[in-house]
Amino acid sequence: QKEVEQNSGPLSVPEGAIASLNCTYSDRGSQSFFWYRQYSGKSPELIMFIYSNGDKEDGRFTAQLNKASQYVSLLIRDSQPSDSATYLCAVSRGNTPLVFGKGTRLSVIA
Amino acid sequence: GAGVSQSPSNKVTEKGKDVELRCDPISGHTALYWYRQSLGQGLEFLIYFQGNSAPDKSGLPSDRFSAERTGGSVSTLTIQRTQQEDSAVYLCASSLVPSQVETQYFGPGTRLLVL
Repeated sequence: QKEVEQNSGPLSVPEGAIASLNCTYSDRGSQSFFWYRQYSGKSPELIMFIYSNGDKEDGRFTAQLNKASQYVSLLIRDSQPSDSATYLCAVSRGNTPLVFGKGTRLSVIA
Repeated sequence: GAGVSQSPSNKVTEKGKDVELRCDPISGHTALYWYRQSLGQGLEFLIYFQGNSAPDKSGLPSDRFSAERTGGSVSTLTIQRTQQEDSAVYLCASSLVPSQVETQYFGPGTRLLVL
């Protein structure tokens, strides 16, 4: 059973702070890792993907991957109220459908 | 439009009825995925089509669920004899090349409510 685990939250952070979202996965064969953002009532949108161990930065977002620990995280710097959403972690073996976690609800307090 | 479209956007049906949900992928995208999202849950993979290959049906929850993709483009997900537990948002996604899952784009979803 391939599983992706996330803390459901809500994770509340003040505006301007760093939000840290975590995800663990069970399938050691996973090769691709994704973070999607989903606003209430909307469909998911891809914000980051990472394939290699280490950090990947894109603007205010940093994805971190540790394959040995089967752990992937997303850091959001200078959090804004508009970042309030549910963040879905997803993994894939590559060329296979994504396996999603249940998501972490983030609330950025102005 | 340039994105993935789905219809209907909302569907209310009675238990036991059949429903059909439609997905129009982005033109030229060879891979098409169906997912289901129940209230407060993550996305659950249902089925995916990759070019002319046989579809991967491993995520379909029961034999009441089926899907087809005609002409490598439009896809229809059919749920027969709907049950209340089928109530969810059904999301379709497409990607240009199956291996490039980072290019997977989601449609707006169909919200299904089974009474």
